Amino acid sequence: GEDVEQSLFLSVREGDSSVINCTYTDSSSTYLYWYKQEPGAGLQLLTYIFSNMDMKQDQRLTVLLNKKDKHLSLRIADTQTGDSAIYFCAESPGSGNTGKLIFGQGTTLQVKP
Amino acid sequence: GAGVSQSPSNKVTEKGKDVELRCDPISGHTALYWYRQSLGQGLEFLIYFQGNSAPDKSGLPSDRFSAERTGGSVSTLTIQRTQQEDSAVYLCASSFSSGKYEQYFGPGTRLTVT
Repeated sequence: GEDVEQSLFLSVREGDSSVINCTYTDSSSTYLYWYKQEPGAGLQLLTYIFSNMDMKQDQRLTVLLNKKDKHLSLRIADTQTGDSAIYFCAESPGSGNTGKLIFGQGTTLQVKP
Repeated sequence: GAGVSQSPSNKVTEKGKDVELRCDPISGHTALYWYRQSLGQGLEFLIYFQGNSAPDKSGLPSDRFSAERTGGSVSTLTIQRTQQEDSAVYLCASSFSSGKYEQYFGPGTRLTVT
């Protein structure tokens, strides 16, 4: 079946690195995504990684993919208070042709000054 | 340019009533998705439209839920005989096409069933 699991809460100090972890079940997922949801705002795509990649870096964001263990992580370097939000991991099951997304429960990131 | 818009932003209805939620996707986007976000269930896929193809309804939780997309643009999600467990934020997203293209989400409609 399709299932995505995340830890629910992470608290870090400003300037530290944050690592949010996710596990998924569909080994045929072609794309894996990280979305951000700020209070009172809609979902925004942060980054995505293609399943044949191990790592993707985009400024302060680093995505690591361990396809064997079906484990995805998002690292935010130099975390700022503005990074406080809920982060959702999502997979696009099957060949990814539909784009239908299966989301994790979301990880609430709290950044303390 | 305009993003995805949804209306109403908030809807309070009595149990047993029917409701219609509207989504206006970004112009030119052929794929449209409905999701539901609730405390108990997180973010769930409901239904997906791509061009003129038959919609993927695999996420609809019961036959009280239906959706249509007229003219390949605006979509309406209808919930008949609403129940309290239908209370959630209903999110619409559109993308240029199906597959890996970024889905742009609307602000959602918060539905409260009393």
